[in-house]
Amino acid sequence: DVKVTQSSRYLVKRTGEKVFLECVQDMDHENMFWYRQDPGLGLRLIYFSYDVKMKEKGDIPEGYSVSREKKERFSLILESASTNQTSMYLCASSLGAGWYEQYFGPGTRLTVT
Amino acid sequence: KNEVEQSPQNLTAQEGEFITINCSYSVGISALHWLQQHPGGGIVSLFMLSSGKKKHGRLIATINIQEKHSSLHITASHPRDSAVYICAVHNTDKLIFGTGTRLQVFP
Repeated sequence: DVKVTQSSRYLVKRTGEKVFLECVQDMDHENMFWYRQDPGLGLRLIYFSYDVKMKEKGDIPEGYSVSREKKERFSLILESASTNQTSMYLCASSLGAGWYEQYFGPGTRLTVT
Repeated sequence: KNEVEQSPQNLTAQEGEFITINCSYSVGISALHWLQQHPGGGIVSLFMLSSGKKKHGRLIATINIQEKHSSLHITASHPRDSAVYICAVHNTDKLIFGTGTRLQVFP
């Protein structure tokens, strides 16, 4: 079974803090994704990565950066957290490009106060 | 207008009822996914399809490429089916998600 894990289920941070969300997958998948999920808006893609050290902007990259130093690990960084970044963050991975199934982590509910 | 629209947004049912959730999309796709999200956040993939119909247990998914429409059916619904069901389409290398249908099945 593919397993995607995220570093925290719940996180509370203060405005202006630097926040790291980590995601690890154990199936040697090429692609990894970061989404945020907000009520009424569905899942929106923040960044994705096709390979180590490669990253591509998604639909809402502003205020975020990512890092992929190892194939199994994809980190999302909020350089200076703001209250409008309070959300559920979901990581996913897939075997390759194109229409492969994506496997999701359990999510991190981030609150920025 | 969203590129992926689901209906209804909310659905309540009595145990045993037949349930249909609809998904319409306006972009070209290579595949369509139905996903299930239980309270607490985790998302699991139910189906990925690009034509016709797939069945898994009490769940059936259909897609009509010409009409750009897909349906998810649940037969003999059960309280454990209560979840948010999300339609997502593969457009180029990315998934575009609907906003989900919240289903509650009461005993």
